[in-house]
Amino acid sequence: QKEVEQNSGPLSVPEGAIASLNCTYSDRVSQSFFWYRQYSGKSPELIMSIYSNGDKEDGRFTAQLNKASQYVSLLIRDSQPSDSATYLCAVKGGKLIFGQGTELSVKP
Amino acid sequence: GEEVAQTPKHLVRGEGQKAKLYCAPIKGHSYVFWYQQVLKNEFKFLISFQNENVFDETGMPKERFSAKCLPNSPCSLEIQATKLEDSAVYFCASSQPPDIYGYTFGSGTRLTVV
Repeated sequence: QKEVEQNSGPLSVPEGAIASLNCTYSDRVSQSFFWYRQYSGKSPELIMSIYSNGDKEDGRFTAQLNKASQYVSLLIRDSQPSDSATYLCAVKGGKLIFGQGTELSVKP
Repeated sequence: GEEVAQTPKHLVRGEGQKAKLYCAPIKGHSYVFWYQQVLKNEFKFLISFQNENVFDETGMPKERFSAKCLPNSPCSLEIQATKLEDSAVYFCASSQPPDIYGYTFGSGTRLTVV
């Protein structure tokens, strides 16, 4: 079992819809959770961090964390074509471990 | 500066040659990390530093890979005797205390071994 697992996609949503990205992790002692966005050929860009159970909202983005279920998600409301990218879930216990990424495509 | 500066952007080496990559972290960030991205999305942790001290090197293939962060110099990642499977994008990232802050990534060095 991989330490951090994501659906690789591609996930395709129409413009204006909600995109839901999911991630599970195996290490129960993980304390910090991050979502990065990576455009093709570019470096990862941090978009959300979450440390405690529940929801955290920032603009159109909402991160959700459930430590009991070892589950992290990212919701993108009112999806835009510019949101089309690969979204990487990253979990930190000792070092930051990345999932394999979910490719999101937002169709106009 | 406010960005993690990686050089060179592209590097081509013949199999068996040495490759050396550089990274200047954001000023004030005491942690530096190296990751290898092979194929499209798989990030592999290589090594991390706290200032000039190795913090975690569990991901390093020690036979051919080495890394340093010396005071007043860019950090470096060196690959001796490159192999075809070393072809990847190598990302450097830096952070303030990493349990609290996420990492800021540099733009990467694309290494192609031919």
